[in-house]
Amino acid sequence: SAVISQKPSRDICQRGTSLTIQCQVDSQVTMMFWYRQQPGQSLTLIATANQGSEATYESGFVIDKFPISRPNLTFSTLTVSNMSPEDSSIYLCSVDQTGDGYTFGSGTRLTVV
Amino acid sequence: GNSVTQMEGPVTLSEEAFLTINCTYTATGYPSLFWYVQYPGEGLQLLLKATKADDKGSNKGFEATYRKETTSFHLEKGSVQVSDSAVYFCALRTDGYNKLIFGAGTRLAVHP
Repeated sequence: SAVISQKPSRDICQRGTSLTIQCQVDSQVTMMFWYRQQPGQSLTLIATANQGSEATYESGFVIDKFPISRPNLTFSTLTVSNMSPEDSSIYLCSVDQTGDGYTFGSGTRLTVV
Repeated sequence: GNSVTQMEGPVTLSEEAFLTINCTYTATGYPSLFWYVQYPGEGLQLLLKATKADDKGSNKGFEATYRKETTSFHLEKGSVQVSDSAVYFCALRTDGYNKLIFGAGTRLAVHP
């Protein structure tokens, strides 16, 4: 299965600032997925990122708040913009290389103060 | 709509006890079903999966059987270890869609 490197692993940020999270995969994949896991909660899909096209956002998530880049088939970034304490979460990227299972990165633990 | 319901935790067991974590789902068509595990401070790892009715997924002593008649995918292990302490997530993916829909997660704590 694919190996995903995600960074930073954690960060503490001031409210009103932005943080860009990077996700690198060791093989080419068509789709990359970004999830949010709020404290003590389950995972919620933010958006699906395809190379060469705009990301597709789930209900409740907008591009202005969570802009995504997908410059090639092995890399994607998620930016959390104009952060507030409510954005404190774990953000995970994921890929489905084999078609019947998903591999997740180790996550970025974000705390907004 | 599509959804996954898991039993609420935390589940607290002694080492070598039998484990069951219930998972039921609502979905159109024939979903694929997954169990993921999240150890403290780590990301999610795929534990096992089943892609059609009556399939049994198994890994590391854990098992789950895809029961279409009861729309369930309960996770079981015959003898848990302290190292199994983690949060377990049941998830599904429906036909034609690429995203996973997760249950709320069940925290398991195993004591010596």
